[in-house]
Amino acid sequence: AQTVTQSQPEMSVQEAETVTLSCTYDTSESDYYLFWYKQPPSRQMILVIRQEAYKQQNATENRFSVNFQKAAKSFSLKISDSQLGDAAMYFCAYRSANFGNEKLTFGTGTRLTIIP
Amino acid sequence: DAGVTQSPTHLIKTRGQHVTLRCSPISGHKSVSWYQQVLGQGPQFIFQYYEKEERGRGNFPDRFSARQFPNYSSELNVNALLLGDSALYLCASSLGQRLSGNTIYFGEGSWLTVV
Repeated sequence: AQTVTQSQPEMSVQEAETVTLSCTYDTSESDYYLFWYKQPPSRQMILVIRQEAYKQQNATENRFSVNFQKAAKSFSLKISDSQLGDAAMYFCAYRSANFGNEKLTFGTGTRLTIIP
Repeated sequence: DAGVTQSPTHLIKTRGQHVTLRCSPISGHKSVSWYQQVLGQGPQFIFQYYEKEERGRGNFPDRFSARQFPNYSSELNVNALLLGDSALYLCASSLGQRLSGNTIYFGEGSWLTVV
């Protein structure tokens, strides 16, 4: 079974600064997807960024980028130029690439606070 | 286009009662999944349905059941409610196709409180 670990329950960053959220995972599969989801107080899970395991290039979406280290099974999220609207719970998630299997395995989350 | 919609948004039930939660996927999406999120934890996978067939089941007791209808909407049913069933229940949908690995979209959830 796959597991996802987020070792930082809480993080804080000054507005406009950069912060990195950590995530490690365990799997015996070679093909899979990794995601970072944001959950604001409204509780809706919003996809921030995704990474295909077969791609060596790290994914980037505007101010959000990842550092994907497949051998180390590490998947960190870097938020640049932090904004007040980035405050939320952030969840790292794993999904197998097997067709038809859409089960997401989530970590326990990191609460990100933005300091004005 | 409407996103994933869930109903009701909030409800309170008594121990031992039954509850039905409903989910309408994004138009064109054929796969629906259900998750339970207890306060302070990450979501836990309950079920996945694709084309009205169960594709996956998480580690939940038989009190939990679900189904998907011909229009791809879905219901999650929980019988004999326990206090520990109090949680946010999230529904998610996707195209269900392999191409591009299917982005999964979530609804805003149904808050269930069992008293």
